[in-house]
Amino acid sequence: AQSVTQLGSHVSVSEGALVLLRCNYSSSVPPYLFWYVQYPNQGLQLLLKYTTGATLVKGINGFEAEFKKSETSFHLTKPSAHMSDAAEYFCAVSASGGSYIPTFGRGTSLIVHP
Amino acid sequence: GAGVSQSPSNKVTEKGKDVELRCDPISGHTALYWYRQRLGQGLEFLIYFQGNSAPDKSGLPSDRFSAERTGESVSTLTIQRTQQEDSAVYLCASSPKISPAHEQYFGPGTRLTVT
Repeated sequence: AQSVTQLGSHVSVSEGALVLLRCNYSSSVPPYLFWYVQYPNQGLQLLLKYTTGATLVKGINGFEAEFKKSETSFHLTKPSAHMSDAAEYFCAVSASGGSYIPTFGRGTSLIVHP
Repeated sequence: GAGVSQSPSNKVTEKGKDVELRCDPISGHTALYWYRQRLGQGLEFLIYFQGNSAPDKSGLPSDRFSAERTGESVSTLTIQRTQQEDSAVYLCASSPKISPAHEQYFGPGTRLTVT
């Protein structure tokens, strides 16, 4: 079984500030981890993913995430927030040898203030 | 190339009516998923099609929900005798390969409102 916890349903930052969105997972086997972004009235779009190899993963729009096995975490960061980053962000986990159905977190709404 | 498309984009229906939602996946994608997203909630898995294998229906909330897929192309999600709690955005996603390592490509969703 696998699960995902996203801490904070809403995160508010000022434009230019650091963005940190938290994701913790549980999985009995090595996980595959994903971050998706959802803009209003749109579907989800992949930001980045971790499968194997380098634990620091860089994605689109300046986002990156680090897989930390010891902390079972995959937090999403961006050094400097832009107004256009305001959206809903979802963390997801799937696992090798298991179901092909990923488990999604409940999402974190990122609010960016001017 | 073309992404995942869904139709209609919005559907308002009366309680008790049947509705049919359509998903056109990316050409060549063998895996297709349906999710339900209630307001302010995460994604709730409904059903998964994997090539020509039997679909995984484990997420369907009741026997009022059903889905079909024609080969590796179009899929339809049917909700019979709609209830107000069925109001949600229904998202379809496809994936190029049958692997948990592959990301999903999502359509824009169908917003269903049951009055």
